[in-house]
Amino acid sequence: AQKITQTQPGMFVQEKEAVTLDCTYDTSDQSYGLFWYKQPSSGEMNFLIYQGSYDEQNATEGRYSLNFQKARKSANLVISASQLGDSAMYFCAMRRAGNQFYFGTGTSLTVIP
Amino acid sequence: GAGVSQTPSNKVTEKGKYVELRCDPISGHTALYWYRQSLGQGPEFLIYFQGTGAADDSGLPNDRFFAVRPEGSVSTLKIQRTERGDSAVYLCASSLTRESYNEQFFGPGTRLTVL
Repeated sequence: AQKITQTQPGMFVQEKEAVTLDCTYDTSDQSYGLFWYKQPSSGEMNFLIYQGSYDEQNATEGRYSLNFQKARKSANLVISASQLGDSAMYFCAMRRAGNQFYFGTGTSLTVIP
Repeated sequence: GAGVSQTPSNKVTEKGKYVELRCDPISGHTALYWYRQSLGQGPEFLIYFQGTGAADDSGLPNDRFFAVRPEGSVSTLKIQRTERGDSAVYLCASSLTRESYNEQFFGPGTRLTVL
């Protein structure tokens, strides 16, 4: 079974600090993609970062980086220098070769001023 | 508009009625996805179109759900004999191609409430 697990339903971080949001996945596929999305209270899903299963280097996009540990099947999101606008739900997702997407249950991040 | 649009933004219906939800993807995007998001959950995959054809409809929960994309752009998700358990936000997303590195662009969703 394909599965994404996010074990942190809620996280708090002080403004300007870094925070790590956990994600583990379960697949028997060799080729897959891992994504993180941000969903603010307005509801729209916004793409943050992508990591391919064959990528050897961790993906980075501005203040976002993905800590990819393939052997452990984990794809944690690191947000550096947190800002108040980072407060939102964060979803980890996996894309199989057949283009099915599987999402985790999300982590609610609150940035404290 | 530049983004994915979905109409209506809200739909309230009675149990047993038929509803249609529309998705207008970004122009030129060949891949289109439908998801259902229940309160407190992540999006649940329903169906994926590549062009006009449904490449994968394995996420549709039962035969009351059907989706079409007759001209390879706009898609309609159709739900027959609605049930209270169908209440959720229905999200549509599109991407440029089917390649794995292409991000999906999501629409704002349609909030369906079945009374």
